[in-house]
Amino acid sequence: RKEVEQDPGPFNVPEGATVAFNCTYSNSASQSFFWYRQDCRKEPKLLMSVYSSGNEDGRFTAQLNRASQYISLLIRDSKLSDSATYLCVVPLGGSGYSTLTFGKGTMLLVSP
Amino acid sequence: EAGVAQSPRYKIIEKRQSVAFWCNPISGHATLYWYQQILGQGPKLLIQFQNNGVVDDSQLPKDRFSAERLKGVDSTLKIQPAKLEDSAVYLCASSLDSIPRSSGANVLTFGAGSRLTVL
Repeated sequence: RKEVEQDPGPFNVPEGATVAFNCTYSNSASQSFFWYRQDCRKEPKLLMSVYSSGNEDGRFTAQLNRASQYISLLIRDSKLSDSATYLCVVPLGGSGYSTLTFGKGTMLLVSP
Repeated sequence: EAGVAQSPRYKIIEKRQSVAFWCNPISGHATLYWYQQILGQGPKLLIQFQNNGVVDDSQLPKDRFSAERLKGVDSTLKIQPAKLEDSAVYLCASSLDSIPRSSGANVLTFGAGSRLTVL
């Protein structure tokens, strides 16, 4: 299994739809995870952190499944402005110094 | 709070030439990262510094790439000689430290990136 794997998409959804992305990881010692958002030709920016079973922030919900080694991102009531690439980030290296490894990203396109 | 500063924003060079990128992290951030992002892919870690020491440089092509963070603050990434496949955005990021914990100390903040085109 690759260290961090994501479905590249693109996911094409209409406004108002609910969409979910999954990210699988290979290092079972990982303790914290992140979802970053990257707009075209911009730098990645933190969307959500996931430290335990999950996290919710408005329309966005991130969940962690340690047994199956995946994290998910759910976006409800999609907006046009949600169109971006969503990057899954996993710290590899255990509980000491960790290196943050990015997936290749999942592209979301929200249409009117 | 000032963000991560990078320069230059854009650079066009011919293959076999050299180039250097500069990064100034957020004040107080002990950990500094250089990532390479090729179009259509996720960022790939090149090198990670904790203060002025190297934590991970396993994916740095050391025959042509070098990086330093001499005083534990700003950093320089150099490529010499450049190849066509080095065309990418070079992203610098920083975090308070690199130990994963719920305080979010290892959350990355990125600079705007330096876009390199090698002809």
